[in-house]
Amino acid sequence: DAGVIQSPRHEVTEMGQEVTLRCKPISGHNSLFWYRQTMMRGLELLIYFNNNVPIDDSGMPEDRFSAKMPNASFSTLKIQPSEPRDSAVYFCASSFFGGYSNQPQHFGDGTRLSIL
Amino acid sequence: QQQVKQSPQSLIVQKGGISIINCAYENTAFDYFPWYQQFPGKGPALLIAIRPDVSEKKEGRFTISFNKSAKQFSLHIMDSQPGDSATYFCAARPYISNFGNEKLTFGTGTRLTIIP
Repeated sequence: DAGVIQSPRHEVTEMGQEVTLRCKPISGHNSLFWYRQTMMRGLELLIYFNNNVPIDDSGMPEDRFSAKMPNASFSTLKIQPSEPRDSAVYFCASSFFGGYSNQPQHFGDGTRLSIL
Repeated sequence: QQQVKQSPQSLIVQKGGISIINCAYENTAFDYFPWYQQFPGKGPALLIAIRPDVSEKKEGRFTISFNKSAKQFSLHIMDSQPGDSATYFCAARPYISNFGNEKLTFGTGTRLTIIP
């Protein structure tokens, strides 16, 4: 079974450029999560969707960040304009929510983003 | 109140020894406590999880001990092996009654190194 697929795996770009990270969740999963991991702040939840609808975006750092989920098999996280402090590893995770459930979140292998 | 405090930050254990990682939480609404294992260059992967209606859960060499009154839980790795060298994250989540409660709150991680 294919896991969560993220692209690109690595991205290096200059400050001010637009960055788009992509995620394909596991087929059949209806919840999708975007996380950011840094040494200083650990693993932070940025936003999560259920049935393609954003449920909680309280972790999105500022207006430069936006996320979309146009359908059940694709999501994007966009940073515009990018800044050096956005450098981190960004993870996408998916799970199945079917009422009361302890279904685990399955993580992709992340996108390592470096803003110069 | 949403924090999960994890210790130690790093841990070195000799092969064959017992590795112990501790977590504490404040939010009494937390109802699900998973541990994730992360290898370099990979996303976190669910290792083992527990709910507060039991005090211990064992899967192979991995055991979670849970103390509801103290609001603490810990991961024990018996007969630790070099392949267990990874970063371990504890996490917690409230009872899922609706889409809004799927958020996991992660600890800050423990880098475990098993030496021969």
